Amino acid sequence: GAVVSQHPSRVICKSGTSVKIECRSLDFQATTMFWYRQFPKQSLMLMATSNEGSKATYEQGVEKDKFLINHASLTLSTLTVTSAHPEDSSFYICSAGSQGAVETQYFGPGTRLLVL
Amino acid sequence: GQSLEQPSEVTAVEGAIVQINCTYQTSGFYGLSWYQQHDGGAPTFLSYNGLDGLEETGRFSSFLSRSDSYGYLLLQELQMKDSASYFCAVRVLSGGYQKVTFGTGTKLQVIP
Repeated sequence: GAVVSQHPSRVICKSGTSVKIECRSLDFQATTMFWYRQFPKQSLMLMATSNEGSKATYEQGVEKDKFLINHASLTLSTLTVTSAHPEDSSFYICSAGSQGAVETQYFGPGTRLLVL
Repeated sequence: GQSLEQPSEVTAVEGAIVQINCTYQTSGFYGLSWYQQHDGGAPTFLSYNGLDGLEETGRFSSFLSRSDSYGYLLLQELQMKDSASYFCAVRVLSGGYQKVTFGTGTKLQVIP
């Protein structure tokens, strides 16, 4: 299957700092990328849908000014957690889909964020 | 919005067959997917049903009934490595975009 990478895999930061997470589709062009957050022993919660070249669509309850998403190219989307706080500590996972492969999403390996 | 229900935990014996059910309520339904997630890892795609019926992929099969808003994942010849969480997920078209919403997950424990 297709490969999606995320960087970094793990990050520890101080409260109040900003953290950028990159999601790359390595062998296909991703017209749509999704960003999820997963707290321990819970399901994946969709945060936003990102389409290349347009603004992201955020789910209800997700602060767009706090979680900045940029999908500047067909292979790269970034999520920036601004002014991170301990409650933002979570497992952030991106997934990518390509036009035509509607039924399959390819997930990145995830980024574990710990805010002290 | 969307809501999906699946059992929280299932235990089954190695070599046996287990079925994990999923019921959903949503608008703009496009299809039902199943994902496997091991502890600490990211989800991996298992199966997708866009139409009613059974889809078979090796030891895993998935079924969908759109009229009943119901689907299931069937795992045969269970192996210890199948111990993981399994998520059903609905794919919907919303506001011109496709998006995927996950169920709460079923933790499967395979015992010897």
